[in-house]
Amino acid sequence: GQNIDQPTEMTATEGAIVQINCTYQTSGFNGLFWYQQHAGEAPTFLSYNVLDGLEEKGRFSSFLSRSKGYSYLLLKELQMKDSASYLCAVMGDSWGKLQFGAGTQVVVTP
Amino acid sequence: EAGVVQSPRYKIIEKKQPVAFWCNPISGHNTLYWYLQNLGQGPELLIRYENEEAVDDSQLPKDRFSAERLKGVDSTLKIQPAELGDSAVYLCASSLQGGLSHEQYFGPGTRLTVT
Repeated sequence: GQNIDQPTEMTATEGAIVQINCTYQTSGFNGLFWYQQHAGEAPTFLSYNVLDGLEEKGRFSSFLSRSKGYSYLLLKELQMKDSASYLCAVMGDSWGKLQFGAGTQVVVTP
Repeated sequence: EAGVVQSPRYKIIEKKQPVAFWCNPISGHNTLYWYLQNLGQGPELLIRYENEEAVDDSQLPKDRFSAERLKGVDSTLKIQPAELGDSAVYLCASSLQGGLSHEQYFGPGTRLTVT
């Protein structure tokens, strides 16, 4: 079956760095996505990885290792507004269909 | 550019009653998705449309759920009759087929409470 695992919650201090890990087992692979979701709001796209390596986009970076079935999202210089749920999602062998993890709730403290 | 529009934002109904949700995708997006999201969980796909064709409805509970996208633009998701376990947020998303990443854009969702 398909399985996507990520930690339930992480807490970090404003200005610090947090790394959210995601491991997956899926039928086929056509890319891995990270979404941010604030409470009561829609998920918003953060990053997409389909090849191994690191993709950097401002304060956020995402890494993928296809052979290990592993990705992480790195949030640098944390701000209070980064407090949200971060969803890892994999597009398996069905093009366009995303399988989401349960999300990691990041709490940023002053 | 307007985002994905959904209505209503909130709905409270009694069990066994029918309910319908409406979604208007981003202009030009030919792929439309309906997801269900329970509290503390990620979205789960219910149905995916390419234009007006439902290309993946394997996760849609067809005994009580139905959906349509008659003109290949906006879409309606219906539940009849609703059960207590249907209480959740129903998200609509759209994407552009042929885009490099199939990035999906989500609407704000409809929060359904069944009492």
